[in-house]
Amino acid sequence: EAQVTQNPRYLITVTGKKLTVTCSQNMNHEYMSWYRQDPGLGLRQIYYSMNVEVTDKGDVPEGYKVSRKEKRNFPLILESPSPNQTSLYFCASSSLDRSNQPQHFGDGTRLSIL
Amino acid sequence: AQSVTQLDSHVSVSEGTPVLLRCNYSSSYSPSLFWYVQHPNKGLQLLLKYTSAATLVKGINGFEAEFKKSETSFHLTKPSAHMSDAAEYFCVVSDNAGNNRKLIWGLGTSLAVNP
Repeated sequence: EAQVTQNPRYLITVTGKKLTVTCSQNMNHEYMSWYRQDPGLGLRQIYYSMNVEVTDKGDVPEGYKVSRKEKRNFPLILESPSPNQTSLYFCASSSLDRSNQPQHFGDGTRLSIL
Repeated sequence: AQSVTQLDSHVSVSEGTPVLLRCNYSSSYSPSLFWYVQHPNKGLQLLLKYTSAATLVKGINGFEAEFKKSETSFHLTKPSAHMSDAAEYFCVVSDNAGNNRKLIWGLGTSLAVNP
């Protein structure tokens, strides 16, 4: 089954404790992206990757890091989490074969930073 | 710059009646448009996409959307609402400028379906 898998689904942690949210896709997609969803602000892009070793900032990259060492994986790293990073996070992937390719989303990761 | 406006933050309908969720967009390019649905505590599921092949787009679960370039609209409709349609719906435009396939999201419309 084609899917994007995020882990963990839920995490409560404290300020300053490094954490990583993993994202893996099994569709051999070149493009992957991270979004955060906040009430009243909708979804905003954090980082994206066009292929292995190619990553770039989205609209709200501050406080986040990513890596793309393998095509299937695109982890999101919070080196020193702060309460303003409490949010619902989504990983997405899509093919770059043609335009208009929809993005496939994981089930989301709800992070609470105390 | 591209943008999306969903004209209603909340819509309430009775089961079996039509659904209309309105979306206007702004785009400098020939847009790629999508509707996604988010059920409570679930991920984001693609309902349908506009590919420029046809202005009336059919999606899953009986939903349709019509692309109207003159009105810059992409409204989502369904002839008869079902209880399971209660969810948050997002109109989305894809920013195809450059290499980023960034999705620009509307703020969502919460659909309630009453028995």
